[in-house]
Amino acid sequence: DAGVIQSPRHEVTEMGQEVTLRCKPISGHDYLFWYRQTMMRGLELLIYFNNNVPIDDSGMPEDRFSAKMPNASFSTLKIQPSEPRDSAVYFCASSLGWDSYEQYFGPGTRLTVT
Amino acid sequence: AQSVTQLGSHVSVSEGALVLLRCNYSSSVPPYLFWYVQYPNQGLQLLLKYTTGATLVKGINGFEAEFKKSETSFHLTKPSAHMSDAAEYFCAVTANTGNQFYFGTGTSLTVIP
Repeated sequence: DAGVIQSPRHEVTEMGQEVTLRCKPISGHDYLFWYRQTMMRGLELLIYFNNNVPIDDSGMPEDRFSAKMPNASFSTLKIQPSEPRDSAVYFCASSLGWDSYEQYFGPGTRLTVT
Repeated sequence: AQSVTQLGSHVSVSEGALVLLRCNYSSSVPPYLFWYVQYPNQGLQLLLKYTTGATLVKGINGFEAEFKKSETSFHLTKPSAHMSDAAEYFCAVTANTGNQFYFGTGTSLTVIP
């Protein structure tokens, strides 16, 4: 398996623009997670899905952030409008779930909002 | 509620010396514990995990960790540091009731030649 795939790897955008980050989980994994990593706040869980259904989005910072998982092989994290404080590395991870809890991380998307 | 505390945000060791990275957890239910490593500009990679059974678990690259319930600890060790071990290390905890991970703030390991 190719592992968790994220695109783009790097994104530079101007404040106010819409940003869409993409993730393809490992085939067969039932859980998908979106994290944000910054120097100040470390690794934060934003939202996670089970069988394409959002389970906990309490980590989503505000209404400018939204996430979807239209099918088992694709998820998006959208920021609209983007702000400089959204600059971070965004990771997607997936796991099998029950009895196999380890999460497999993608390479991340480094977002810079100017 | 669950949480993880990693003592020491930066650890430096000489090449060939013992590596000890500390992790203490808090959990109201039996925990599942993990150590992940993150190399520069990469995602997190699983080093090892404890779920049930043997309390001393071995992982990749010569690392191991011991679950000590009485001390609520899950420290990561490696007998002899290698230059390639320089990275950020994260401890994480979850419970068998769900999939939400709680990560520590990370420990940056520097290996001095």
